[in-house]
Amino acid sequence: KAGVTQTPRYLIKTRGQQVTLSCSPISGHRSVSWYQQTPGQGLQFLFEYFSETQRNKGNFPGRFSGRQFSNSRSEMNVSTLELGDSALYLCASSLGLNTHQKNYNEQFFGPGTRLTVL
Amino acid sequence: KQEVTQIPAALSVPEGENLVLNCSFTDSAIYNLQWFRQDPGKGLTSLLLIQSSQREQTSGRLNASLDKSSGRSTLYIAASQPGDSATYLCAVRPGGNTPLVFGKGTRLSVIA
Repeated sequence: KAGVTQTPRYLIKTRGQQVTLSCSPISGHRSVSWYQQTPGQGLQFLFEYFSETQRNKGNFPGRFSGRQFSNSRSEMNVSTLELGDSALYLCASSLGLNTHQKNYNEQFFGPGTRLTVL
Repeated sequence: KQEVTQIPAALSVPEGENLVLNCSFTDSAIYNLQWFRQDPGKGLTSLLLIQSSQREQTSGRLNASLDKSSGRSTLYIAASQPGDSATYLCAVRPGGNTPLVFGKGTRLSVIA
């Protein structure tokens, strides 16, 4: 079974630009979560999508947005990039629905997208 | 608000040693706890998941324990190898469909 894939793996942008990152979950997984990882703050939760609906949202400004498609693939968008947005963006997928499978919310992570803002 | 702490931030041990990594959390009302490994510049690899009703989980040389009442979990690594060198992250899930709350990790170096 293929793992979680993220594209692109590396991105370099300049301040003020916008960027779109993509995540394809493990087949059969309906929940996709996004995290930002920086050396200072560690892993911070951005948002989670389940069945095309945002189920949870972290404390990030409105410049950060996301969506999920009917095939469970997800994208996140960052508009008006700032230097502080430079980070590793990680996507994780899980089954997402408690159908009596004990570890239904066990998360599996992709390799991440390294975003550098100049 | 749930907070997760991992101490120490870094640890260096000689090959072959058994070691314990610590994770503490402030609110004992958790749904489950997950341990991950992260190699430099890479994504996270799930190691073990412990449900709130469980006391421990084992996978190969790894054993994770959970003591909800004291707000602690430990990851025991037996007979450490240089390939175990990585950052180990602990994450707590407060409720069934709530986001994971991560600690900042322990960076482990196993010296040959």
